[in-house]
Amino acid sequence: ETGVTQTPRHLVMGMTNKKSLKCEQHLGHNAMYWYKQSAKKPLELMFVYSLEERVENNSVPSRFSPECPNSSHLFLHLHTLQPEDSALYLCASSVRPTGNDEQFFGPGTRLTVL
Amino acid sequence: KQEVTQIPAALSVPEGENLVLNCSFTDSAIYNLQWFRQDPGKGLTSLLLIQSSQREQTSGRLNASLDKSSGRSTLYIAASQPGDSATYLCAVNDQAGTALIFGKGTTLSVSS
Repeated sequence: ETGVTQTPRHLVMGMTNKKSLKCEQHLGHNAMYWYKQSAKKPLELMFVYSLEERVENNSVPSRFSPECPNSSHLFLHLHTLQPEDSALYLCASSVRPTGNDEQFFGPGTRLTVL
Repeated sequence: KQEVTQIPAALSVPEGENLVLNCSFTDSAIYNLQWFRQDPGKGLTSLLLIQSSQREQTSGRLNASLDKSSGRSTLYIAASQPGDSATYLCAVNDQAGTALIFGKGTTLSVSS
């Protein structure tokens, strides 16, 4: 257990659905991240939040909408996704978003878009 | 733009062998480098973190080295076991940003 939990672990949705992914960290960290892992591609950063404020948005389509209500919780709201958005979505946290701190990852949500 | 490359992409070895996984990165301006393990369909487990000022880190049968000037890191696994079968990911914490930059990984299979 890394101290970072994600729900749901698996999600199947149609292109017209709206769903949300949830991440919670129990480490007292101030920075949280969303990463995407597609088949045969390296993990890539989607969003970075520091103390509930977005500090980086890595050119992600607007059909992905992050929300960080407090420093322990991070959501990724999904709407009108495409089949190519099927991937493993990983949440991570670190003490600070400076890049010098170790990141701890959750188990991921396996998303399938039909 | 930082790029991370891992060689080989896949590796199969018999149980008991010592093995080396390679990672290279294009920009030496990094804070640290992390090695992760990922089991199929699962999240990432951090194995070792090497700060940019360090040369190596050890944990049990694992030893990771870092040569920042040449942009290389190796993960040495001693006396491999079937339970070591997984994908091993290398990632650098780049001074240009706040995120980890990952390689595509090396998928290791250890047969009994």
